Amino acid sequence: GAGVSQSPRYKVAKRGQDVALRCDPISGHVSLFWYQQALGQGPEFLTYFQNEAQLDKSGLPSDRFFAERPEGSVSTLKIQRTQQEDSAVYLCASSLAAVASGNSPLHFGNGTRLTVT
Amino acid sequence: AQSVTQLDSHVSVSEGTPVLLRCNYSSSYSPSLFWYVQHPNKGLQLLLKYTSAATLVKGINGFEAEFKKSETSFHLTKPSAHMSDAAEYFCVVSDLGNTGFQKLVFGTGTRLLVSP
Repeated sequence: GAGVSQSPRYKVAKRGQDVALRCDPISGHVSLFWYQQALGQGPEFLTYFQNEAQLDKSGLPSDRFFAERPEGSVSTLKIQRTQQEDSAVYLCASSLAAVASGNSPLHFGNGTRLTVT
Repeated sequence: AQSVTQLDSHVSVSEGTPVLLRCNYSSSYSPSLFWYVQHPNKGLQLLLKYTSAATLVKGINGFEAEFKKSETSFHLTKPSAHMSDAAEYFCVVSDLGNTGFQKLVFGTGTRLLVSP
């Protein structure tokens, strides 16, 4: 398919485990975003990549969260020592534009639902 | 910082009746505003966007929204609801990230329920 693909679709982790969430953006898209959507809330910004450069990570809630995009395409969001409050849907989105633009829409993946028990 | 407030957490309508989902924004400059829809277990889909052109914006599936600067509102409407419109709707404003990129700031969402 031509959309943003995320895997796994669901992840259950025991508290304290490390998890890795994968995002395959649309081919050729320069910008990549990660958002966190807690139950009953709107998505909240986590981090932004322009190609392989992580230009903003101000939304990452703690130093247990780490994201990378080493070759400017696939991205991985890693959460170390998961806590119950990390339970949420993690959304990835990509866009063609490299700079701020209201004319370059974001394409969202279906998300990974993380449940920490 | 930019923000949006969705005034209703739930809206219930009957099929064939009008839909009104309310949104107010706060912005220190002329904002870009969006409405996204999220169906269960599906990705977010862009319904429409306002980027300082026409104040009445038409989107997909018969939805439209009107930008009213005097009221700082961007309400979403549809003349006649369809069962397939039942979903979560998010009002969104764009903000500038610390390196100039477009960062979306989402409201808390309004769940639209459509009854037969």
